[in-house]
Amino acid sequence: AQSVTQLGSHVSVSEGALVLLRCNYSSSVPPYLFWYVQYPNQGLQLLLKYTTGATLVKGINGFEAEFKKSETSFHLTKPSAHMSDAAEYFCAVSVYGSARQLTFGSGTQLTVLP
Amino acid sequence: DTGVSQDPRHKITKRGQNVTFRCDPISEHNRLYWYRQTLGQGPEFLTYFQNEAQLEKSRLLSDRFSAERPKGSFSTLEIQRTEQGDSAMYLCASSPQAGMNTEAFFGQGTRLTVV
Repeated sequence: AQSVTQLGSHVSVSEGALVLLRCNYSSSVPPYLFWYVQYPNQGLQLLLKYTTGATLVKGINGFEAEFKKSETSFHLTKPSAHMSDAAEYFCAVSVYGSARQLTFGSGTQLTVLP
Repeated sequence: DTGVSQDPRHKITKRGQNVTFRCDPISEHNRLYWYRQTLGQGPEFLTYFQNEAQLEKSRLLSDRFSAERPKGSFSTLEIQRTEQGDSAMYLCASSPQAGMNTEAFFGQGTRLTVV
């Protein structure tokens, strides 16, 4: 079985500041890891995913995440926040590479202050 | 429109009534997934189709829930005898079959309110 813990249900940053959203996972087998973003009243959009290979993964909109097996973490970062980044972010784990049986964290609401 | 389409976007129903939601996946995608998202939580997996075959069902999918995907195209999710605890956003996603490293595309969801 797998699980995801997102530390901080709400994160606020100033525009232009570093964004850091934390995700720790638990999995009995090598995991596939995902970050999704959800805007109000919208579905989920994939930001990035780790399957195999390079542990630093770059995604859309300037986001990246690093898979650290020893820390069981997959934190999401962006060097400079933009107002349009305000949304809810979900970390997810799966033993499959696709959307089969994704286990999501409870989400982190990102607020970007002007 | 080439995205995943869900209908209706919102549904308000009285407790005890039956409701049915529809999902139209991206046309060339043969995998289809249903997830449920309650307020303040991440989505939870409900079920998965490959073409018309329902291959996986979560234990969250009680006997009151049934999903179909006739002819491997659109899918329906029916909830019988709705309860207030069924109030949630129901999300549909689809992905192509080829390979494991494929992205799933989510629809905008159907928000169900049971009163």
